[in-house]
Amino acid sequence: EAGVAQSPRYKIIEKRQSVAFWCNPISGHATLYWYQQILGQGPKLLIQFQNNGVVDDSQLPKDRFSAERLKGVDSTLKIQPAKLEDSAVYLCASSSLPKETQYFGPGTRLLVL
Amino acid sequence: SQQGEEDPQALSIQEGENATMNCSYKTSINNLQWYRQNSGRGLVHLILIRSNEREKHSGRLRVTLDTSKKSSSLLITASRAADTASYFCATAGTGANNLFFGTGTRLTVIP
Repeated sequence: EAGVAQSPRYKIIEKRQSVAFWCNPISGHATLYWYQQILGQGPKLLIQFQNNGVVDDSQLPKDRFSAERLKGVDSTLKIQPAKLEDSAVYLCASSSLPKETQYFGPGTRLLVL
Repeated sequence: SQQGEEDPQALSIQEGENATMNCSYKTSINNLQWYRQNSGRGLVHLILIRSNEREKHSGRLRVTLDTSKKSSSLLITASRAADTASYFCATAGTGANNLFFGTGTRLTVIP
């Protein structure tokens, strides 16, 4: 079974630029999550999708972050414009059901200069 | 906050020794999960224990859950250098539909 795929693995941008991350979840997983993990901290949920609908985006900075999951499969997370404090690892995860085991991708390491 | 808190923040042991790390949380849960994260990599699910369970085993891993104390522990027996990683507990609350991760315990196993 293929795991969760993410790209790119690394990205370096300057502040005020925009960036997009892509995630392909495990086939058949209806629930998809985007997390932000700052160095030395645990993952913080940014947004949760159930199929192509948003379940929770309460911690998503909506003035600069946006995410979509068209057709209920792949998802993209965008930051525009980026700030220095957005430097982090962005993790995508999927699960067959909410609250159950989550399967994580390798993450995208973002550095904002 | 529903977020779990791991203790200790860092742990260093010799290969072959046992490692115990603890997680405390504040609200009622549906289940509690432990994940491992190797440096610079994604998280890997280790074990899930439900609120009506008290103990669970998986290979060299033993997890306990005490809902009255709102705490859980993860025991790794006969540790190996490859166990060096950060370990996170994550709680699934009875109300919310997602997991809340703690800040993690950084385990170093010295060969």
